[in-house]
Amino acid sequence: GAVVSQHPSWVICKSGTSVKIECRSLDFQATTMFWYRQFPKQSLMLMATSNEGSKATYEQGVEKDKFLINHASLTLSTLTVTSAHPEDSSFYICSASKQGFPDTQYFGPGTRLTVL
Amino acid sequence: AQKITQTQPGMFVQEKEAVTLDCTYDTSDQSYGLFWYKQPSSGEMIFLIYQGSYDEQNATEGRYSLNFQKARKSANLVISASQLGDSAMYFCAMRETPNQAGTALIFGKGTTLSVSS
Repeated sequence: GAVVSQHPSWVICKSGTSVKIECRSLDFQATTMFWYRQFPKQSLMLMATSNEGSKATYEQGVEKDKFLINHASLTLSTLTVTSAHPEDSSFYICSASKQGFPDTQYFGPGTRLTVL
Repeated sequence: AQKITQTQPGMFVQEKEAVTLDCTYDTSDQSYGLFWYKQPSSGEMIFLIYQGSYDEQNATEGRYSLNFQKARKSANLVISASQLGDSAMYFCAMRETPNQAGTALIFGKGTTLSVSS
């Protein structure tokens, strides 16, 4: 199988603080990981594409200085929400493609962020 | 223009009945992949079924089948013999250039399926 984990599964923080979310591929190497954001009852919107060892590619309208993405290894990508505000409250989901299996994309369980 | 269109915000079906969730897509690529995911209230995205643009046969996975009509650019999901546990949000998604693992999925707005006993 191919398992992707996220940590934490939920987090509550005060406005102005930074929050780091980890995405790990547990049993495979992922050269590319993706970060999505989902508001309640809405679709998943791609925020950025993260490639191991290089800078992330952000979608239009996503502030790269606010949502810092680091893909330090083939199994770990992190998303840091800097100076979080209540409007950043959302469900953040990562996914990873398995090398040699481009037809699939494995999703993490998501992280629910609430900014007070 | 939307790349993935799901026109049914909500669908209701009784247990053991079949249900079709609609999905149309828009792409100029000849090579692409179509996916269906299920998202229960827990939030996890569960992969259901995949159809490649060059696949001649409709994909099937257990109770799930994909009614792929390439000329109409539709990829409807058919769930046979609905179960209470099928109640969830269902997303249709597309990956253009499916041979490149570095391409993200584009999602539709989703359809909420409610199964009653």
